[in-house]
Amino acid sequence: DAKTTQPPSMDCAEGRAANLPCNHSTISGNEYVYWYRQIHSQGPQYIIHGLKNNETNEMASLIITEDRKSSTLILPHATLRDTAVYYCIVYAYGQNFVFGPGTRLSVLP
Amino acid sequence: DTEVTQTPKHLVMGMTNKKSLKCEQHMGHRAMYWYKQKAKKPPELMFVYSYEKLSINESVPSRFSPECPNSSLLNLHLHALQPEDSALYLCASSHASGTERNEQFFGPGTRLTVL
Repeated sequence: DAKTTQPPSMDCAEGRAANLPCNHSTISGNEYVYWYRQIHSQGPQYIIHGLKNNETNEMASLIITEDRKSSTLILPHATLRDTAVYYCIVYAYGQNFVFGPGTRLSVLP
Repeated sequence: DTEVTQTPKHLVMGMTNKKSLKCEQHMGHRAMYWYKQKAKKPPELMFVYSYEKLSINESVPSRFSPECPNSSLLNLHLHALQPEDSALYLCASSHASGTERNEQFFGPGTRLTVL
C-alpha cells in the first residue's frame, strides 16, 4: 500500500501558484519524498525529490516539514499544461515505487 | 538522451494471439521496470530487472513473460491474455538501486486492448 495520502482533486487558476499537499506521517529516516506527474495518457514524469531539506528545480519547489510528516509541492506559476495527476511517493533505496491515487490538478483559465 | 521509448504505441490482440511489447533506453541505466495501469488508477509494478536479471515479479500471471536481452532493452511477451488485461503498459528505467540518483524515467506506454 502507498504510504502517502493526498487530496483527490484540486483546482488552480492559471498563473497562480499551485500548492499540492502530501501527508506521509509514517515516513522513516531513510525514506525520500518523490513527486511525479502524469499528463493524460502519457507516462509519469519525474518532478523533484527530497529527503529533509527544501528543494527547488526548474519545474517546482518541494517544501518538507521539519518533522518530515508532510510535504508540499509548489508549481510557482501554473499553466494549462500543468493539468495532470500528481503523485507523491515515499521511497527508500532498495524499495519499489508504490503509487497512490494521487491528486488530480486542474488548472483553470 | 533521456528518453525511454516503447513500441508499439497501441496494440489490439485476440485472446489466442502472441505479441510482444518492446522498451528501450540509452541512458546507461541498469534497472528496468514494467508497470500496468488501468483506467483512472495509478501504475502498478509488475516486474523489475536489475543488471539484466529479474529481481522482482509481483505475482504476475505467467501469460506475461518478461525478457531483458541486454542492458538497454526490455521486452514483455504476451500470450493467451484475457480482456481484463487491457491496460496501459508502462516501461521505466533508473540507475541501479543504491545509487544517489534513483528517479525512474518512464516511457509513453503501450495501450493494449484484448478482444
